[in-house]
Amino acid sequence: AQSVTQLGSHVSVSEGALVLLRCNYSSSVPPYLFWYVQYPNQGLQLLLKYTSAATLVKGINGFEAEFKKSETSFHLTKPSAHMSDAAEYFCAVRGASGSARQLTFGSGTQLTVLP
Amino acid sequence: DTAVSQTPKYLVTQMGNDKSIKCEQNLGHDTMYWYKQDSKKFLKIMFSYNNKELIINETVPNRFSPKSPDKAHLNLHINSLELGDSAVYFCASSQVRGAGNEQFFGPGTRLTVL
Repeated sequence: AQSVTQLGSHVSVSEGALVLLRCNYSSSVPPYLFWYVQYPNQGLQLLLKYTSAATLVKGINGFEAEFKKSETSFHLTKPSAHMSDAAEYFCAVRGASGSARQLTFGSGTQLTVLP
Repeated sequence: DTAVSQTPKYLVTQMGNDKSIKCEQNLGHDTMYWYKQDSKKFLKIMFSYNNKELIINETVPNRFSPKSPDKAHLNLHINSLELGDSAVYFCASSQVRGAGNEQFFGPGTRLTVL
C-alpha cells in the first residue's frame, strides 16, 4: 500500500518569502512522486515529478522539489513567493506496477500569499 | 485545444435522478480515470480504465458506472443520486506505459444534489 502525508493543510507566506510545502510518502516499491497545483475552480496541473532520475527536480513557475529516500520526503519549495502562487497544492505517489500504479494523493495544502 | 474536456461544468439535480458526465481526451492516451473531490478538497480515485482493464475503487457505490465508447472517451453514469454525491468530479488521462507518466486532468464537473 502507498500513502502520502502533507503536513499543514494551510500555509501562509508573505510575497517574496520562501515557500516550503511538506510531503512525506509511504511506498513498498520505488515510488514515482508528483506535485500538482489546483487554482480556484480549475483542474489539477502538474508542477513537477520525480521518476528516479535526478533527486532534485525543477518544475514550472520556479518550483522545485527534492527526493530524499532516507527521510521518505518530497518537499516542494520556491525561493520567492508570488501572489499568483496562491492555490491548493497536492503531492501524489505512484508505484511502478500492479495496483500500486494508481495515483494516491495527499490531502492538499492551501497556500496563501500575503501582500 | 483542450487536452481533457468534461461536460457539463456544473450539474444541479434532484435526489433520485440519474445523470451522466462526459469526458473526452485528445492526447492519444490509453488510460482514463475518474476522481471525486469532496468539500475538503480530498481527491479519491474512483475508476481507472483502459481497453484491457477496469479497476474500480472498492469504496465506490455500484450506482456509479464508467462507460467507454472508445479510447478517447470515458463517461460517468450515476444512478439514484444522493445528497452525498455532491462533489467535484475530475476526469484524467495518461499513457499507462511508464508509471512516471503524469496524468492530465480535466477542468472538473461540480455536481450539486438537492
